[in-house]
Amino acid sequence: EAGVTQSPTHLIKTRGQQATLRCSPISGHTSVYWYQQALGLGLQFLLWYDEGEERNRGNFPPRFSGRQFPNYSSELNVNALELEDSALYLCASSFGRENTYEQYFGPGTRLTVT
Amino acid sequence: LAKTTQPISMDSYEGQEVNITCSHNNIATNDYITWYQQFPSQGPRFIIQGYKTKVTNEVASLFIPADRKSSTLSLPRVSLSDTAVYYCLVAPTGGFQKLVFGTGTRLLVSP
Repeated sequence: EAGVTQSPTHLIKTRGQQATLRCSPISGHTSVYWYQQALGLGLQFLLWYDEGEERNRGNFPPRFSGRQFPNYSSELNVNALELEDSALYLCASSFGRENTYEQYFGPGTRLTVT
Repeated sequence: LAKTTQPISMDSYEGQEVNITCSHNNIATNDYITWYQQFPSQGPRFIIQGYKTKVTNEVASLFIPADRKSSTLSLPRVSLSDTAVYYCLVAPTGGFQKLVFGTGTRLLVSP
C-alpha cells in the first residue's frame, strides 16, 4: 500500500514569491494535516482538512492557506514568502474523525526561502 | 492540552531494552497518550497509543499506571536503527487530532 506522498521534495523560492506544496494521502484516508518543522524546532500544526473542508488551523498568518480536492489530495499555498518560512513542511493523513492520533506522515517538502 | 516532560536524551546499546518515561501530571480524563518516532529529515512515525494499563504491539509496549500521570514507552532489544527522537503526546480525542509535539527524547543506540 502506498504511503503519503508529497511533492516537490525540495523547493527554493525568493522572498515575496508564492510556494505551492502538494500532498496525496493514503488511499481511504479522508483527513489531511499540514505541519511546519523549522530547523531545530518541533512540529507546528498548520492546517487540518477533512472531507474537502478546512476544519481547523494553527497559529499561522492568513498567507498560509490550502485546500483539499475531491480525491482527498491537498495543496498548501504560502504567499508572500518570508525568510523564516524556510522549513520542512510535513503532510499527514488519517481516517477522518476517528478518535485516534494515528497519523501517517509523508517525507516532507523542504522549502528554502532566499 | 496537557504538558509533557521527557528526558532530553538517552543512551543505550544494541540488544538492550530501553524505557522512556513521560510525565503528564495534568492529564485530563479524556486524554490519550501517543508516542511517535522521528528520524532526521523525515516525518514522524506513529508507534503506539494508549489510555490506561498496558498496550503492546509489534514494535513497542506502553505502560500507563492507574493515576495516568506518567507513561513509559518500552522498546525491547533496540538496534542501531532505533536511534531517533521519540515524542510523547497527550491530547483529547473527539474530532480534532492536532498533534502537539514537545522537544522529545533523543535516543542514541551504540554498538
